[in-house]
Amino acid sequence: EVQLVQSGAEVKKPGESLKISCKGSGYSFTTYWIGWVRQMPGKGLEWMGIIYPGDSDTRYSPSFQGQVTISVDKSISTAYLQWSSLKASDTAMYYCARRVYSSGQIYIDYWGQGTLVTVSS
Amino acid sequence: DIQMTQSPSSLSASVGDRVTITCRASQSISSYLNWYQQKPGKAPKLLIYAASSLQSGVPSRFSGSGSGTDFTLTISSLQPEDFATYYCQQSYNNPPVWWTFGQGTKVEIK
Repeated sequence: EVQLVQSGAEVKKPGESLKISCKGSGYSFTTYWIGWVRQMPGKGLEWMGIIYPGDSDTRYSPSFQGQVTISVDKSISTAYLQWSSLKASDTAMYYCARRVYSSGQIYIDYWGQGTLVTVSS
Repeated sequence: DIQMTQSPSSLSASVGDRVTITCRASQSISSYLNWYQQKPGKAPKLLIYAASSLQSGVPSRFSGSGSGTDFTLTISSLQPEDFATYYCQQSYNNPPVWWTFGQGTKVEIK
C-alpha cells in the first residue's frame, strides 16, 4: 500500500528554523516526483515546489523560491521542507504529494496527511 | 503563468441534485486537468485525471469533461458524503510553475 506519512504538528516562534518530513512507503520512492503544497487557514492549495528523489532535481514555484528549501534522503525514503527563519505568515497546513506520470498524463495520486505549522510569538 | 479559474466559488445543493463545476485555464492545457475533493481537516483526494478519467475507487456519479481551456466536473446525483470543496489543477508542466490549482468550489447542503 502506497503511503506518504508526514511529521507531526509544529508550534514555532518567528525567526526560528524548522524542517518537516514526508516518508514514502509501498512503492519505489526514487522514481516518483514528490511535491509540496501549502494551504493557509481557510484558503486554497498552492504549489511550492517539487523534488525527484532519484537525483535530487528540485524545482521551486517563483512564489516560494528563496523562502523554503526542499531536500530528500533517499536512503530513508524521506523528503523534507525546511525554513531558516519562520514568519507568522508561514502558518499553514503543508502537504506532500506524489506526482504520477502515466500514459502521457500527469496527476497527483497520493497525498500525505498534512503537517500543521503554527508560527506565533 | 497559467491561471485556473473555477466557478462558482460556492454552491448550495440538495441530496440527489445534479451539480456542475467549471474550471477555465488562461491558456490551452490540452487535457492536463485533474479534479480533487477535499473534506475539512483532510488531505485532497484525486477524483478525475486527464480531464475525464475516473480514478480507481471513485463512484461513477463523478465525471469530467473538456479540453483546451474549458473543463467541467459533474456530480450526477449528489450524495451526503459529497459535501466538500473541489479543486481543479493543471498539470501541463509549464515551467517554472508545475502545478496550479483553481481557487476551489465549496459544495454545501441546501
